[in-house]
Amino acid sequence: GNSVTQMEGPVTLSEEAFLTINCTYTATGYPSLFWYVQYPGEGLQLLLKATKADDKGSNKGFEATYRKETTSFHLEKGSVQVSDSAVYFCALSDQDGGFKTIFGAGTRLFVKA
Amino acid sequence: DAGITQSPRHKVTETGTPVTLRCHQTENHRYMYWYRQDPGHGLRLIHYSYGVKDTDKGEVSDGYSVSRSKTEDFLLTLESATSSQTSVYFCAISESWGTDTQYFGPGTRLTVL
Repeated sequence: GNSVTQMEGPVTLSEEAFLTINCTYTATGYPSLFWYVQYPGEGLQLLLKATKADDKGSNKGFEATYRKETTSFHLEKGSVQVSDSAVYFCALSDQDGGFKTIFGAGTRLFVKA
Repeated sequence: DAGITQSPRHKVTETGTPVTLRCHQTENHRYMYWYRQDPGHGLRLIHYSYGVKDTDKGEVSDGYSVSRSKTEDFLLTLESATSSQTSVYFCAISESWGTDTQYFGPGTRLTVL
């Protein structure tokens, strides 16, 4: 079945550091891929998404490129801020999985001033 | 922000008691979902609804039931709560099925003693 694997956290960075959170997936079809972010005490909200191979999703300085050849969708940001401290979830949805969204375990990011 | 509220926001109950969580939306979205969030597991789908009185099971539906008598309300019931159901529960909505973005409520923290 479909699955999503994320790097384990927590990830601790200093402000203005470069961020990468790895995400790889297993899917039999052609999934759409998502990154959701959860700020402390809140529900998840969509950060970015990509629906086909080689698409790049971007939002708020974050980027992720859909790499079908490596089945990956790594999240990157060039310069993190304290306000980026949150939990980040990679997710996928595709027809072979009945279009149910499958979430990764989440990666907690701490950014120090 | 999508208009999604959950009630209660926090609840402590005892093993064997029934519990009902409510999700209310003001967006008139057709699809509604209940997830549970547990450390190391990300979000897992409990049940979902694709219209009034139309519901189906997710991957962790045992011990839970749902009802949707109005477009705006989706209820999750634990008929006889167990300690393994201690979790944070999130409601989500989406306008269409498939690869559409989901919008999440603020969550309900449930503790079963």
